[in-house]
Amino acid sequence: SQTIHQWPATLVQPVGSPLSLECTVEGTSNPNLYWYRQAAGRGLQLLFYSVGIGQISSEVPQNLSASRPQDRQFILSSKKLLLSDSGFYLCAWSKVTSDIQYFGAGTRLSVL
Amino acid sequence: AQSVAQPEDQVNVAEGNPLTVKCTYSVSGNPYLFWYVQYPNRGLQFLLKYITGDNLVKGSYGFEAEFNKSQTSFHLKKPSALVSDSALYFCAVRDTNAGKSTFGDGTTLTVKP
Repeated sequence: SQTIHQWPATLVQPVGSPLSLECTVEGTSNPNLYWYRQAAGRGLQLLFYSVGIGQISSEVPQNLSASRPQDRQFILSSKKLLLSDSGFYLCAWSKVTSDIQYFGAGTRLSVL
Repeated sequence: AQSVAQPEDQVNVAEGNPLTVKCTYSVSGNPYLFWYVQYPNRGLQFLLKYITGDNLVKGSYGFEAEFNKSQTSFHLKKPSALVSDSALYFCAVRDTNAGKSTFGDGTTLTVKP
């Protein structure tokens, strides 16, 4: 069976500090991978998605970046965090031939 | 372009009563439609999907949804609500010509005992 791991669960970072959130998927190969941000428990904002190693599409211009160094690893990064980067970050994956997305447990990021 | 709307931020129902969470969509081609549920501080969980075929789709936890092409709707329903159904529900759509899904803003369902 497939599983998705996302860590850390919670993170408190000062403004201007770097960020690295990691997401890995097990039990499947060549998944589509996604990073979302959810503000105040409401709608999802798609930040990045990837259809393969090194292939990243950015949906929203901002100070965040994403990388996919391995087939089942997706990393969300920032060089300098802003207060507005606070939120709940969700990683998800889907099979290439199916659109169902499977979500990780999320990371609650607080930038102070 | 594709879009999805969940017109109600909040739905309140009494336990044992039927529930409906509304979703309407807009696509240029044919839609793939999905419902997900999110419990507090957790990731989203897939409930059900419509790709083609029977307009009434049955999913997890006794939920079902009806695809209505003429009204461009995909409302989520359950005949008898449980307190444990209280959560945030998301509708999502993908146009067959699009590369990824678009999610609605979510509807908070509260089931009171």
